[in-house]
Amino acid sequence: GAVVSQHPSWVICKSGTSVKIECRSLDFQATTMFWYRQFPKQSLMLMATSNEGSKATYEQGVEKDKFLINHASLTLSTLTVTSAHPEDSSFYICSARGTSGFSYEQYFGPGTRLTVT
Amino acid sequence: GQNIDQPTEMTATEGAIVQINCTYQTSGFNGLFWYQQHAGEAPTFLSYNVLDGLEEKGRFSSFLSRSKGYSYLLLKELQMKDSASYLCAGMDSNYQLIWGAGTKLIIKP
Repeated sequence: GAVVSQHPSWVICKSGTSVKIECRSLDFQATTMFWYRQFPKQSLMLMATSNEGSKATYEQGVEKDKFLINHASLTLSTLTVTSAHPEDSSFYICSARGTSGFSYEQYFGPGTRLTVT
Repeated sequence: GQNIDQPTEMTATEGAIVQINCTYQTSGFNGLFWYQQHAGEAPTFLSYNVLDGLEEKGRFSSFLSRSKGYSYLLLKELQMKDSASYLCAGMDSNYQLIWGAGTKLIIKP
């Protein structure tokens, strides 16, 4: 099956600093990648959708200048949380959708747990 | 608006059968997904239905009725490891997933 990796798995950073999270599709080309945030005991919240080579589409209420998304290649997307604050502490999950086969399924990465102190 | 409804929590006994229901309203429809998510982990794909009827895959089955905007996930021969949240998601006309809040399934011995 398709594999998506995320790095790092967890990160602790100080308030005001920036954190970059990488999402890679390891064995397929992902034309579209999705970034989700999940707070404890809540469902997934889609933050943005990114297509390779174009600007990400952000969901309502998500600050695009705070959550920078770059989808530079068909196998890599990055999410940078700029000037992180404690309320940004959450579980960030990426998913990727391929270019062939059963193209509607989203393959999820293992997630990145961010704690801002 | 778009909406996915599923129960917040269900409890079942090991070895038994449980059915988790989901009703959906999406702008256009391109299928219904079920994902399993264990605490602290990312979701994993369970099933996809786009046509009416029952899809069986081992101990798990998923059903879809497009006319009723309804789906269910059926889990048989429950095992303790099935304790998890089960997420229902409808795919709209833009191929975006609309997520339900998830059903936390508690399995008791």
